[in-house]
Amino acid sequence: ETGVTQSPTHLIKTRGQQVTLRCSSQSGHNTVSWYQQALGQGPQFIFQYYREEENGRGNFPPRFSGLQFPNYSSELNVNALELDDSALYLCASSPVDTDTQYFGPGTRLTVL
Amino acid sequence: AQSVTQLDSQVPVFEEAPVELRCNYSSSVSVYLFWYVQYPNQGLQLLLKYLSGSTLVESINGFEAEFNKSQTSFHLRKPSVHISDTAEYFCAVSDQGGNTPLVFGKGTRLSVIA
Repeated sequence: ETGVTQSPTHLIKTRGQQVTLRCSSQSGHNTVSWYQQALGQGPQFIFQYYREEENGRGNFPPRFSGLQFPNYSSELNVNALELDDSALYLCASSPVDTDTQYFGPGTRLTVL
Repeated sequence: AQSVTQLDSQVPVFEEAPVELRCNYSSSVSVYLFWYVQYPNQGLQLLLKYLSGSTLVESINGFEAEFNKSQTSFHLRKPSVHISDTAEYFCAVSDQGGNTPLVFGKGTRLSVIA
């Protein structure tokens, strides 16, 4: 158990729709990162938030956006869904001044 | 940009046999290396990490990995595997520390055969 939870577990959407994925971290984990893991691939970094501000971004278009809240929860929003957005989305959080990211179980998104 | 190559996509091995999962990374001035394990339908769990110091790092469940700077490798080994080790293993690298964005390899599927 990492203390990081994600909801929902599974989600099915259609092309063009919008989706919000949620992550809840442990108290004191003020850094959160989101990763996309396509089938048969390793996770790819989407973006990171630190103290509610975006702190780095991977090679993902602006329709991928996020929020981090003071209660150590965060959201990943994806607009105008495309078929290629089908993947496992992982949230990872870290306490300040540590070298370990704790991953949640992920949300499996299917876009039809 | 950093990159990670996991040379084997699948590794079948008999129970109690030794195993090595290979990982090579692109060279950088500073590098931090990680192995994560993913069991079916679960997220990633940190297995072990190299940040600095001793080049041989160990996990609590018998895995070990050795940082080899000259060969830019961080291979994962276990002298005797169990059925419960069946999982997907990911090697990852960061050039700024474990709290910063990780670059992952494509993974190696370890299948332990009874």
